[in-house]
Amino acid sequence: SAVISQKPSRDICQRGTSLTIQCQVDSQVTMMFWYRQQPGQSLTLIATANQGSEATYESGFVIDKFPISRPNLTFSTLTVSNMSPEDSSIYLCSVVETGANTEAFFGQGTRLTVV
Amino acid sequence: DAKTTQPPSMDCAEGRAANLPCNHSTISGNEYVYWYRQIHSQGPQYIIHGLKNNETNEMASLIITEDRKSSTLILPHATLRDTAVYYCIVRPRYGGATNKLIFGTGTLLAVQP
Repeated sequence: SAVISQKPSRDICQRGTSLTIQCQVDSQVTMMFWYRQQPGQSLTLIATANQGSEATYESGFVIDKFPISRPNLTFSTLTVSNMSPEDSSIYLCSVVETGANTEAFFGQGTRLTVV
Repeated sequence: DAKTTQPPSMDCAEGRAANLPCNHSTISGNEYVYWYRQIHSQGPQYIIHGLKNNETNEMASLIITEDRKSSTLILPHATLRDTAVYYCIVRPRYGGATNKLIFGTGTLLAVQP
């Protein structure tokens, strides 16, 4: 199974600032996804990170607020821009490996608190 | 929107079997049933998946009804470490962007000593 490293694991940020979260995988993967988990809630898909092209965002999420990069098959970043306390959540990276094994694997998440 | 319905919570005694139900009455012919769990403060963990036959692995068994409109995840001998939120998800096994997982609210399984 893919091993996923997310950085930072947690952060406390001032409102109005931006935070970039990194997701590094130890193998080439076909698909990479970013999720948000608000306190006490289930996971909500933010976007699919496409290698070499613009990310595909889900309804309710926009590129200006959550710009995503995916420069290669093993790395992606999610930026939370112009943060407000409502952005306080856990942000998780998920990957689906290349090949027949299509189970998704998740990083441990980035716990963000906006004050 | 999630295509599955699960009870919000369940209790189970340690050492007993935990049976977690899931309804997916609108499942399509090419969609599989996947189960994940999320232990507190961790990312979700894959458990098992199936199409129409019952499946078993080292973690659990998955029983899918003949009409595929519902399924049950069975943890044969629950331990305290199995306390988690369990998510039942349906999606095609192959298909590019459809590999994305749409999470419902899941079932919080509390294993009691």
